[in-house]
Amino acid sequence: AQSVAQPEDQVNVAEGNPLTVKCTYSVSGNPYLFWYVQYPNRGLQFLLKYITGDNLVKGSYGFEAEFNKSQTSFHLKKPSALVSDSALYFCAVRDMTTDSWGKLQFGAGTQVVVTP
Amino acid sequence: DTGVSQNPRHKITKRGQNVTFRCDPISEHNRLYWYRQTLGQGPEFLTYFQNEAQLEKSRLLSDRFSAERPKGSFSTLEIQRTEQGDSAMYLCASSRQGADIQYFGAGTRLSVL
Repeated sequence: AQSVAQPEDQVNVAEGNPLTVKCTYSVSGNPYLFWYVQYPNRGLQFLLKYITGDNLVKGSYGFEAEFNKSQTSFHLKKPSALVSDSALYFCAVRDMTTDSWGKLQFGAGTQVVVTP
Repeated sequence: DTGVSQNPRHKITKRGQNVTFRCDPISEHNRLYWYRQTLGQGPEFLTYFQNEAQLEKSRLLSDRFSAERPKGSFSTLEIQRTEQGDSAMYLCASSRQGADIQYFGAGTRLSVL
C-alpha cells in the first residue's frame, strides 16, 4: 500500500522569504512523486515530478523539490515566496512497481499563506 | 489543447435524487481518472479508464456510483440515490498512455441537501 503524509496543515511565510512544504511517502516499490497546486475553485495544476535521476528537480513558477530516498521525503521549496504563491499544495505518489495505471495517492494538502 | 473540461461546475440536489457529471479529457489522452475531494482532504482515487475500458474501481465507489466512457472520449459519472455524504468535489484527470503527468479539470462541486 502507498501513502503520503503532509505534516503541516498550513505554512505561513513572509513575501521574499524561503518557502518549504514538507512531504513524506511510503510505497512498497519505486516511487514516482509529484507536487500539484490548487487555487480556489480551480483544478489541480502540475508543478513538478520526480521519476529518476537527479534528486533535485525543478518545476514551474520557480519551485523545486528534493527527493531523499533514505528519509522517504520529497519537500517542495521556493527560494523567495510571492503573495501569489498562496494556495493549497498537494504531494502525490505513484507506486511504479505495483501500479502500472498511474493511480495517484495524494496527501491531505498544505495551505500556504504568503503575507506581504 | 483546451484542457480537461468538466460539467456542470456546481450541482445542488436533494437527497435521493440521481446526478450525472461529464468529463471531456484532453484530446488524444486515452487514460481518464475520476477522483473525489472532500473538504480538508486530498483527492481520493475513484476509478480509471484506458480508452473505453474501466480497469480499476476503488472501494470508495459504492454500487450507487457508475462511470462510463463509451467511445473512449468523454466520460460520465452517475450517482444514484444521492446521500449527504456524497457532497464533495468530483475531479476528472486525463493523461496519455506512457506519460506520467495527469491533467485535472476544475471539478464538479456536488452539494446534497
